[in-house]
Amino acid sequence: RKEVEQDPGPFNVPEGATVAFNCTYSNSASQSFFWYRQDCRKEPKLLMSVYSSGNEDGRFTAQLNRASQYISLLIRDSKLSDSATYLCVVTTPGSARQLTFGSGTQLTVLP
Amino acid sequence: EPEVTQTPSHQVTQMGQEVILRCVPISNHLYFYWYRQILGQKVEFLVSFYNNEISEKSEIFDDQFSVERPDGSNFTLKIRSTKLEDSAMYFCASSEKQRTSGKDTQYFGPGTRLTVL
Repeated sequence: RKEVEQDPGPFNVPEGATVAFNCTYSNSASQSFFWYRQDCRKEPKLLMSVYSSGNEDGRFTAQLNRASQYISLLIRDSKLSDSATYLCVVTTPGSARQLTFGSGTQLTVLP
Repeated sequence: EPEVTQTPSHQVTQMGQEVILRCVPISNHLYFYWYRQILGQKVEFLVSFYNNEISEKSEIFDDQFSVERPDGSNFTLKIRSTKLEDSAMYFCASSEKQRTSGKDTQYFGPGTRLTVL
């Protein structure tokens, strides 16, 4: 079983749509959770950290369900500039700093 | 906004040659990392470095790899004898050690694309 599993997509949505991405992680000992975005051939950039209580940053909402080992990202009112690959990232169990990345979900927002 | 920088942006080398990839982390950061991403695959952790020594490394980081902080600003990754399968994008990252929080955001550089022929 993959350590961090994501639906690879692609997700093609019209501007203004709401889109949700899901991610599961295999090791219940993982402690920190993040969503990064990666544009084509660029570096990963932190989008947001994910907390058990859920957190929101503008149009982006992230949720964590530790019992189900499941992380989600919701993007509301999607913009053309949201087109990217969204990476689900967890810290490796036993390490506070080693990041384990999912393969990413590709999003294309269409005009 | 401070950022991680990496040089060169693209390195082409022959199999068996040594390469050194360079990174300048964000100036007040204390933890440094190397990750790699083979084309079409996920980002993979290689090594973390703190207080002038390796703190963690992955199975990928074998004896062919080494890291160094030769001065107060640069952080380097050396591959001693490159193989075809070393072709990848190599990302440097850095983070600021936070005493009060377990969360420590890693900021990534733009990457060096290594092509081994």
